[in-house]
Amino acid sequence: QSVLTQPPSASGTPGQRVTISCSGSSSIIGSNYVYWYQHLPGTAPKILIYRNNQRPSGVPDRFSGSKSGTSASLAISGLRSEDEAIYYCASWDDSLSGPVFGGGTKLTVL
Amino acid sequence: EVQLVQSGAEVKKPGESLKISCKGSGYSFTNYWIGWVRQMPGKGLEWMGIIFPDDSDTRYSPSFEGQVTISADKSISTAYLQWSSLKASDTATYYCARCHRYSSSSDGLDYWGQGTLVTVSS
Repeated sequence: QSVLTQPPSASGTPGQRVTISCSGSSSIIGSNYVYWYQHLPGTAPKILIYRNNQRPSGVPDRFSGSKSGTSASLAISGLRSEDEAIYYCASWDDSLSGPVFGGGTKLTVL
Repeated sequence: EVQLVQSGAEVKKPGESLKISCKGSGYSFTNYWIGWVRQMPGKGLEWMGIIFPDDSDTRYSPSFEGQVTISADKSISTAYLQWSSLKASDTATYYCARCHRYSSSSDGLDYWGQGTLVTVSS
């Protein structure tokens, strides 16, 4: 049972916009920044969003993040086949000196 | 270019010891924490613990305290994760990742290693 809750799956067709939700507690998401990671099996997870809505250089602006209260979401617009991956949300937990993760959402591009 | 390069896959028997590594390059190794994350087969990501290589300040997730040891050798920009007695339930892929010493909670883990698959089977 993950600390942060994500839907196990999401799907969309090329060009479509999809959103992935992430919910948590007031002490975690409600009090800390949210990050989003893209993970292709067998590769290193890649950070897509940090500080709730900031994109590292090199991440396309098709990816956007938002947070409100104890929930956050990742939006992917102009969906492409290469976006098919597992997406994890995470947020810092001071008691762990590290992040807690959502269970991951497998995105399928139909 | 920032890189975290992990040691290769391991196959071990229950009860054996193991130490896997994570070598950083392309950045100031002593300005970043190195954390370890476990991914069991078919499961999500779990935080294990973190070390600040400059002074070896180490913190463990309660779930992993006493189960593993995290260490680092700043002279060779390498962090380690080790087990003294492996169990079948340690079978997983282990990732190292870095976060900045001053902005870890805001910026999170910004670069990750490629993962080390550890298989424990008799």
